[in-house]
Order: sequence, then structure tokens, then C-alpha cells
Amino acid sequence: ETGVTQSPTHLIKTRGQQVTLRCSSQSGHNTVSWYQQALGQGPQFIFQYYREEENGRGNFPPRFSGLQFPNYSSELNVNALELDDSALYLCASSLGGTRTDTQYFGPGTRLTVL
Amino acid sequence: SQQGEEDPQALSIQEGENATMNCSYKTSINNLQWYRQNSGRGLVHLILIRSNEREKHSGRLRVTLDTSKKSSSLLITASRAADTASYFCATDARDDKIIFGKGTRLHILP
Repeated sequence: ETGVTQSPTHLIKTRGQQVTLRCSSQSGHNTVSWYQQALGQGPQFIFQYYREEENGRGNFPPRFSGLQFPNYSSELNVNALELDDSALYLCASSLGGTRTDTQYFGPGTRLTVL
Repeated sequence: SQQGEEDPQALSIQEGENATMNCSYKTSINNLQWYRQNSGRGLVHLILIRSNEREKHSGRLRVTLDTSKKSSSLLITASRAADTASYFCATDARDDKIIFGKGTRLHILP
């Protein structure tokens, strides 16, 4: 167990809806990264937050947004859901604010968009 | 496109045998990491090798890096049933994005 938790475990939404996924970082970690993993693919980097500021972003549209709170927990928000947004969403916490740091992953939230 | 590509896509071996999987990438990197994922759950960090390192060991794991060929290999010795998982390489390219490959699905046969 990494100490990183995510909620909910599973979620079903319909196209056009909005969703919020949550992540609680490992104790002492100030950095959180979010990834999207489609079935049979590797994780794709969405963005990273370091001390409540966005610290890098992958090739995802603006309808993917995030927040990091003072306790370093985090949210991923996706607006105007599309069918292709169906995936496993992973968060990972680390200490140091770079992509070089060892990341500790949560178990993921599986999102299904109908 | 994916920066890292693992090869083979799938591998089945007998328990006790060694498993080797490879990763190729396209652009210069700062470091390369290997992760394991069990049954579509969270990833577990296995090992990080920096661009100025050629080989690294951790328990039954051995990772090599050849920056001239832009490739890395992960060797798991004396495989066990618990090693059944998907293995991903992740590169931290010079533009500071981390990019995962599609993974190798390893199945250890009893």
C-alpha cells in the first residue's frame, strides 16, 4: 500500500456531464500528478500540481482541470464528458515537484462514460 | 505518439525462468523508470536509472540503459507467480514531461 487513496473507485456518467475525482496524497508529499489510462494502454500524463500550483501539463484540453489544496489533496475535474474519456484515472504523489521524483500511485478511479 | 515502446507486448514464461523485456524511446532523456501494474490497478515504482548510468540492480531486478541505442531492458530473475503483471517504462524527456509506453504483459506459468 502506498498511502495514496482515490475516490470514488468506480463511476458511471453520461456524455456531456461533469465529474470530479479526488486524491489524497501520501503523508508529507507536496506534489500530485494525474494520469489517464485507457484500456490496454500506458498512463498518459494529464498535469501535475506542486504546492497548489499547476507545474506542467500534458496534451489534454482545458476541460480537464485540477486543484490542489493546502493539505496537498487534489481534485481532477472533467467537463463536457466524451465517450473517449472512459478510462482509469490515476493520481500519484511525490515529494519534490519534478517528474524525476519517485511517484506513489493510488489504486485509480475507473470512469465509464455512456 | 508514445515516447517509450515496450517489447514484447506479452510474455509467458515458466516459474523460475528469467523474464526480459525491452523499452525503446525516441528523444533524449534525463532518466528512465520502470513500473509494475497488477490487474489495472495503481502502478508500483520498481527502479529509476539516470541517463549517465548503464546498469542498476534491485533485488531480482536488473535494468540496463543504452542511450546510444535509446533503449533499456528490464530483467527479472527467478520469476515467481507474483511477478505476473504489466510492466511499463516511463521516460522523463528533456521537455520535462513523463511519458509511459504501452507496457509488456508478463504471465508466469506455474
